[in-house]
Amino acid sequence: KAGVTQTPRYLIKTRGQQVTLSCSPISGHRSVSWYQQTPGQGLQFLFEYFSETQRNKGNFPGRFSGRQFSNSRSEMNVSTLELGDSALYLCASSPGGTSGVTGELFFGEGSRLTVL
Amino acid sequence: GNSVTQMEGPVTLSEEAFLTINCTYTATGYPSLFWYVQYPGEGLQLLLKATKADDKGSNKGFEATYRKETTSFHLEKGSVQVSDSAVYFCALTDTGFQKLVFGTGTRLLVSP
Repeated sequence: KAGVTQTPRYLIKTRGQQVTLSCSPISGHRSVSWYQQTPGQGLQFLFEYFSETQRNKGNFPGRFSGRQFSNSRSEMNVSTLELGDSALYLCASSPGGTSGVTGELFFGEGSRLTVL
Repeated sequence: GNSVTQMEGPVTLSEEAFLTINCTYTATGYPSLFWYVQYPGEGLQLLLKATKADDKGSNKGFEATYRKETTSFHLEKGSVQVSDSAVYFCALTDTGFQKLVFGTGTRLLVSP
């Protein structure tokens, strides 16, 4: 069974630009979550989607947005990039609904964003 | 909201040594508790979990017991290997769907 796939793995942007990151969950998983990992703040929850609906959102500014498609694939977008947005962005999937244990997540390898 | 405190690293051990990584939490309600591991250059992997008080999670020789009375979930392994070198994260569920609160991570370095 293929794992969670994130693209691109690495990218470099400049301040003010916008970026879109993609995540393909494990087949059959309907919940996709996004986390930001930085050396200073650690791992922080961005948002979670299930069946194309955002069910939960962390404390990030509106520049951070996401969506989920009918095939459960998800994208997140960061607009007007700032230096502090440099981070590893991790996507995680889970069966969702009443299946599995809440919090039992399957993570991708991440997309490392560098903002110059 | 819920929060997690885990010991600072790095933890440096020789192969076959005993490992303990401390984790304490503050939470309302009855969260589920997790240990995740991150190997160099990789995403996080679930190592073990416990969903209620006194549950013991175990996997690959690692163990942790959900202690409600001390609000702790310490990770232990009797004999570490070089391949266990990684960053270990304690986490618990927070309010809402699939939201985890993570500790700051503890880097483990095991030398031959």
